[in-house]
Amino acid sequence: KAGVTQTPRYLIKTRGQQVTLSCSPISGHRSVSWYQQTPGQGLQFLFEYFSETQRNKGNFPGRFSGRQFSNSRSEMNVSTLELGDSALYLCASSLRSQGVPDTQYFGPGTRLTVL
Amino acid sequence: TQLLEQSPQFLSIQEGENLTVYCNSSSVFSSLQWYRQEPGEGPVLLVTVVTGGEVKKLKRLTFQFGDARKDSSLHITAAQPGDTGLYLCAGSHLVLGRGSTLGRLYFGRGTQLTVWP
Repeated sequence: KAGVTQTPRYLIKTRGQQVTLSCSPISGHRSVSWYQQTPGQGLQFLFEYFSETQRNKGNFPGRFSGRQFSNSRSEMNVSTLELGDSALYLCASSLRSQGVPDTQYFGPGTRLTVL
Repeated sequence: TQLLEQSPQFLSIQEGENLTVYCNSSSVFSSLQWYRQEPGEGPVLLVTVVTGGEVKKLKRLTFQFGDARKDSSLHITAAQPGDTGLYLCAGSHLVLGRGSTLGRLYFGRGTQLTVWP
């Protein structure tokens, strides 16, 4: 079974631009969560999508948004990029079944550099 | 404020030594996961522990979930250079209904382990 895939793997943008990152979950997984990882803050939760609806949201500004499609693939968008948005963006998928431990499987990440 | 505190933050040891990494919280978790991450890659799941007091072994790695499900430890026996990496613990809550936090993992800051040959 193929793992979580993320595209692109690397991105370089300039301040003020916007960016869209893509995530394809493991087949059969309906939940997709996004995390930002930086050396200073570690892994911070951005949001989670399940059945095309945002179910949970972390403490990030509205410039960070996402969506999920009917095939469970998800995209994350960051508008008006700032230098501090430079980070590794990780996507994780899980079954999200009630009563089952929410084990999340991560993709390789997208390394975003904002100049 | 981190919900999960990991210690130590850095660990540098020689091949063959034993080590323990701790993950502590004041919050009760329904499950706790340990991941290992290589530079520039996503975290790779090592184990999920669910039951208080549970002990799981993965070759030279032993994982323990505290009786109260607030803390966990990872013990590595006879460390090898291939064990080098960032070890992360992450907890999840099983809260159903409105305001469910299911789908969100709370991560510790990680323990950077370096094993020298």
